[in-house]
Amino acid sequence: DGGITQSPKYLFRKEGQNVTLSCEQNLNHDAMYWYRQDPGQGLRLIYYSQIVNDFQKGDIAEGYSVSREKKESFPLTVTSAQKNPTAFYLCASSSPPGHSNEKLFFGSGTQLSVL
Amino acid sequence: KQEVTQIPAALSVPEGENLVLNCSFTDSAIYNLQWFRQDPGKGLTSLLLIQSSQREQTSGRLNASLDKSSGRSTLYIAASQPGDSATYLCAVNAGGTSYGKLTFGQGTILTVHP
Repeated sequence: DGGITQSPKYLFRKEGQNVTLSCEQNLNHDAMYWYRQDPGQGLRLIYYSQIVNDFQKGDIAEGYSVSREKKESFPLTVTSAQKNPTAFYLCASSSPPGHSNEKLFFGSGTQLSVL
Repeated sequence: KQEVTQIPAALSVPEGENLVLNCSFTDSAIYNLQWFRQDPGKGLTSLLLIQSSQREQTSGRLNASLDKSSGRSTLYIAASQPGDSATYLCAVNAGGTSYGKLTFGQGTILTVHP
């Protein structure tokens, strides 16, 4: 089945610890995104990548880092500098503009909590 | 800066009722607009995508309209069912070099009771 796989589903972070959330897609999409969702709020963009080996900051990039070494993978690291990391993290991917199917496809999410 | 607002924040209706969810945005220079469904603790599922040049899109019992000049979109759900209960989010895509940087509304929590 084609889709986006996020792991783990639940993750706990200790104070001062860096943690990495995994996102893999087999949809052959060029663009990938990381969003953060807090209760009762819409999604906010953390980082996005429109092509391999390139990525840009979104609206709330502070305290996060990413890499895009392979087309299929876009891991997100939540660093110790992120003081309020508890949230639901969603990864998405899409085809480029003008493609016949431009919809964003989302993974099932990772719930990150602080111990 | 683009801002997206969804009204109402929550809606509870009896099964079989037709309903309308509203989405408004402040900057009319959009590339497209998407409506998503989110079940509790799950990711988002795209329901409908409307390009800026289009006025509406339909899929089954769902119809989404777009009035770009007034900054509004509506999602119409016909003959609602308990399985439609979920949070519905709209998101606008600015396009250009910002393609994919969606701005989301806070969502409408829909409950359809039998």
